Amino acid sequence: GAGVSQSPRYKVAKRGQDVALRCDPISGHVSLFWYQQALGQGPEFLTYFQNEAQLDKSGLPSDRFFAERPEGSVSTLKIQRTQQEDSAVYLCASSGGTGFQPQHFGDGTRLSIL
Amino acid sequence: QKEVEQDPGPLSVPEGAIVSLNCTYSNSAFQYFMWYRQYSRKGPELLMYTYSSGNKEDGRFTAQVDKSSKYISLFIRDSQPSDSATYLCAMPSGTYKYIFGTGTRLKVLA
Repeated sequence: GAGVSQSPRYKVAKRGQDVALRCDPISGHVSLFWYQQALGQGPEFLTYFQNEAQLDKSGLPSDRFFAERPEGSVSTLKIQRTQQEDSAVYLCASSGGTGFQPQHFGDGTRLSIL
Repeated sequence: QKEVEQDPGPLSVPEGAIVSLNCTYSNSAFQYFMWYRQYSRKGPELLMYTYSSGNKEDGRFTAQVDKSSKYISLFIRDSQPSDSATYLCAMPSGTYKYIFGTGTRLKVLA
């Protein structure tokens, strides 16, 4: 596609439920990133994939957060047993190379935990 | 102290004004300096980026880097109401992990 696509755009879940957020990167982009953006803050890095390999997951806040990209294209961020502090916008970005390449962002999934 | 500091604003200016947006950083290893624009309920959109020190111009936008002071700026000339957004600076730590500022909210009044 023309840009990074994320779904759903909005997700409301009750505390304790599991959620799955999807990212379709720009076609052919090798690198894929997940960020978390709290209200009034800049995005914060969660995890990085190069093709299907998860090379860095240092930003994942807890072991309730899990990300995968099994075929090196679409990625899913899963949050188990959601907590209120998980409420945020989850942004996906992709870039075309493995060295420095500017990252292009999707419009995010706005997650609200009740 | 955060690695990247940015005044959150809000910054209100009249249409046609020159806008100056700034970030400071602490890590002297940063080599690339990015500016993103984020409209409400949208993702960050890359405006421009520079490598190392110096200036870069793109239309009404000019990015400036002063590595000796660890200070970067984005200037917007002839500002328009459509420029009203949050402006985020970002710097890659290594080759891929972007460190973002908090963003500055800009409002251009018609």
